[in-house]
Amino acid sequence: DIQMTQSPSTLSASVGDRITITCRASQNITVWLAWYQQKPGKAPKVLIYKTSSLEKGVPSRFSGNGSGTEFTLTISSLQPDDFATYYCQQYNIYWTFGQGTKVEI
Amino acid sequence: EVQLVESGGGLVQPGGSLRLSCVGSGFTFNKDWMHWVRQAPGKGPLWVARIKADSSTTAYADSVKGRFTISRDNAKNTLYLQMSSLTADDTAVYYCVRSITATPDKWGQGTLVTVSS
Repeated sequence: DIQMTQSPSTLSASVGDRITITCRASQNITVWLAWYQQKPGKAPKVLIYKTSSLEKGVPSRFSGNGSGTEFTLTISSLQPDDFATYYCQQYNIYWTFGQGTKVEI
Repeated sequence: EVQLVESGGGLVQPGGSLRLSCVGSGFTFNKDWMHWVRQAPGKGPLWVARIKADSSTTAYADSVKGRFTISRDNAKNTLYLQMSSLTADDTAVYYCVRSITATPDKWGQGTLVTVSS
């Protein structure tokens, strides 16, 4: 099974900050990685797929990068609506999710 | 607009069974792979099962293999998850998810399954 490890688990930030979340895969997943945003009581929302492709309607302040086993999600200027939990997911072999990163004030 | 609406969740005793349903609309249901993903309270999502568009291929997470069965009725645009021998560890919100080949796309709003006596 492919394991996904996110860091940090919690990130304290302020509006306007640039933040980066890292996701590491236990084996090579090439570019088959997605990022999600989840708010309490809601389903996860796809932000980015195939490492760096922005889902339609997602603001351009979100970006993804990486390949192989190391991936990042960057928010260039944090907005109030961005305080949430973020998950990475590999879909190279079945699906596996990271444990999440909570972005808080 | 693509929509996925789950139903069938509820309270069930340990060892019991439950069938979840997910109705898709706004897309050609019989062309897409479909998945079930669950999320226990305070935890990250966990992939449960997937089924190919024509039902010819299914796959399961080890934690549910032999207990859960994924199926679909393309004439009714409906995905199912039959769950049996339920334990407290199966308590979670269950989501149906569409994928375009393997790429995750749209999630439903989820249905809560609680296994408790």
